[in-house]
Amino acid sequence: GAGVSQSPRYKVTKRGQDVALRCDPISGHVSLYWYRQALGQGPEFLTYFNYEAQQDKSGLPNDRFSAERPEGSISTLTIQRTEQRDSAMYRCASSLRTSSTDTQYFGPGTRLTVL
Amino acid sequence: GEDVEQSLFLSVREGDSSVINCTYTDSSSTYLYWYKQEPGAGLQLLTYIFSNMDMKQDQRLTVLLNKKDKHLSLRIADTQTGDSAIYFCAERAYNDYKLSFGAGTTVTVRA
Repeated sequence: GAGVSQSPRYKVTKRGQDVALRCDPISGHVSLYWYRQALGQGPEFLTYFNYEAQQDKSGLPNDRFSAERPEGSISTLTIQRTEQRDSAMYRCASSLRTSSTDTQYFGPGTRLTVL
Repeated sequence: GEDVEQSLFLSVREGDSSVINCTYTDSSSTYLYWYKQEPGAGLQLLTYIFSNMDMKQDQRLTVLLNKKDKHLSLRIADTQTGDSAIYFCAERAYNDYKLSFGAGTTVTVRA
């Protein structure tokens, strides 16, 4: 079946603009995760949803970052008033449920560049 | 992630075996994963191992876990050019959902 999809794949924006990044998880997957990956680094956890509930947002760097998953499927990560330091690859993952044995499947990511 | 460390680069001749090493610090790490990242693609899960196992083999891949030393390795037999990629080690504690990743090892396969 289809994997995790993300859009756009690339986003270039000017400092101060808002951006919205979309994640479409694997159908039927209950849990959804957002990670951020800086160049030359591994992904770092941002936030996590179980169905539509945001269970953990401890990894969001500041209040310019927010995420939602209103119907328990597609999720949007929004960054307001973007800054150059927000430039990174933003990755979404989903898993069937929140069990420690469940595998997280990652999407291709959105490469965000803030000029 | 600060709790997971990997060597940054590995160059290997086609047909040889590759060994990628990873160390982790969290003693509660129960699940350890290897992901592969190719340009333009997402992170692909290669294999994983539970902490109550010492070894897991899956076709050309062999994972070895030394829990005492908190050392994990991935061996790729008969390395091919298609194995050129960045390999990430990740750990996950029991009853947790966050993955903590290393910085990745760039594997280059030369003819």
